[in-house]
Amino acid sequence: SAELTQDPAVSVALGQTVRITCQGDSLRNYYASWYRQKPGQAPMLLIYAKNNRPSGIPDRFSGSSSGNTASLTITGAQAEDEADYYCNSRDRSTNRVIFGGGTKLTVL
Amino acid sequence: EVQLVESGGGLVQPGGSLRLSCAASGFTFSTYDMSWVRQAPGKGLAWVSSISGSGTNRFYADSVKGRFTISRDNSKNTLYLQMNSLRAEDTAIYYCAKVSSGVVIVYYYHALDVWGQGTTVTVSS
Repeated sequence: SAELTQDPAVSVALGQTVRITCQGDSLRNYYASWYRQKPGQAPMLLIYAKNNRPSGIPDRFSGSSSGNTASLTITGAQAEDEADYYCNSRDRSTNRVIFGGGTKLTVL
Repeated sequence: EVQLVESGGGLVQPGGSLRLSCAASGFTFSTYDMSWVRQAPGKGLAWVSSISGSGTNRFYADSVKGRFTISRDNSKNTLYLQMNSLRAEDTAIYYCAKVSSGVVIVYYYHALDVWGQGTTVTVSS
């Protein structure tokens, strides 16, 4: 089915590294894109096409992919990284866009 | 500066209609696919609809198919979402987003690289 699965919540100590994962069949054809959404704000694109960052996104954010699983890694998490993170891709057979359920990241 | 500005949200009764607009600037609007994404209160992101740059191809989530219509006016750099037969479950912030897509070797990618600030739709009696 065309779904993307994310862990609902993850925590990381300040300055440490955290990995957020996203699983789904669509990821066998499409690279995941990753977004960060802070409370009261619109989502912001962090990673696209496996491991590309838009201009202005810090290099502590990186992406990887293997099989049906994509990962977003934050190396040296900052307090400002506390937010909701979403992955998305597209279903090749229906052309519908899919979002994961989101991961709430807490920076301790 | 690339910018998207939504408008048209508001309070509407169940069964009513609304038309959302998204004014684009800072890029060649007609060459990019566009999407609408919504977020119900306290919930995650949910894709609503997408349209190709020319307006020829349109896709919808099952939850809105037959009730919502996406369109665009490339001469006005504006994206629209006509919402009919609105239900309480359509209550959400609606974002428009610019699509960046392509192929890297054998993998595709489909990213929403620019988002508007959102417009709030409340369906309630």
